[in-house]
Amino acid sequence: DAGVIQSPRHEVTEMGQEVTLRCKPISGHNSLFWYRQTMMRGLELLIYFNNNVPIDDSGMPEDRFSAKMPNASFSTLKIQPSEPRDSAVYFCASTPTGTGGSNSPLHFGNGTRLTVT
Amino acid sequence: KQEVTQIPAALSVPEGENLVLNCSFTDSAIYNLQWFRQDPGKGLTSLLLIQSSQREQTSGRLNASLDKSSGRSTLYIAASQPGDSATYLCAVRPQGGSEKLVFGKGTKLTVNP
Repeated sequence: DAGVIQSPRHEVTEMGQEVTLRCKPISGHNSLFWYRQTMMRGLELLIYFNNNVPIDDSGMPEDRFSAKMPNASFSTLKIQPSEPRDSAVYFCASTPTGTGGSNSPLHFGNGTRLTVT
Repeated sequence: KQEVTQIPAALSVPEGENLVLNCSFTDSAIYNLQWFRQDPGKGLTSLLLIQSSQREQTSGRLNASLDKSSGRSTLYIAASQPGDSATYLCAVRPQGGSEKLVFGKGTKLTVNP
C-alpha cells in the first residue's frame, strides 16, 4: 500500500488567499484525521471523520477552516482566507476503526508544510 | 482535560547506550497509548500501541510499558544506534469511544556515533 498520500508537500501563499490541502487515506481505512503541528502547540487534532461523516470538529480553530470528505478515498482541508498564523505543517492520518473503536495504530501522511506570508 | 507531557524535550546519548523516554498523562481513563517516531520533514510512524489492559509491548529493540494508575509510560530503547535519532511522541486515546488522540510534544533524541 502507498500509505496516506497528501498534496501538496509544500504550499506558500499570500495572506487572504484560499488554500486547499488534499488527502488520500489508506484503502479500507474508515477513519480519517486532520492534525496541525507547530513548534509552540505541538500536534493538534482539527477534525476527524468516520465513514466520511465528520465526528468531532471541535479543534477547527475558526470558520475560516473547513473540511470535507466526499468519499472514502479523498478529503480536503480548506482555509479561506488564509492568515500568517495558519503557517504550520498539516497532517492527514487514517486508521481502520469505527466509532466504538479498536486498537489499530494511526497511519500518517508526510504532511503539507503551509507558509502564509 | 487530558494532558500529555514528555520529559526531557531533548536527549543526546552516545551510540550503544540503553535509554528510556518518559511520557505522563493526567487522566488515567485511557483506551490505549501509542508511541510514534517522527523524522525531520516526515509524518509520524507508529512504533508500539499498548492497550489499557496491557502492561507492555515489545518490538525488536523497543519496549514500551504502561502504568495506567500512575499515568505513566516509558519507551525503552536498547543498544541505541545513530539511526534511532528522531523525535519520539506518545499519544493517549481516551475511553468513551472517541478516536481523538492527545499527543505530547515529543522528545528529540540524538544518538551520536
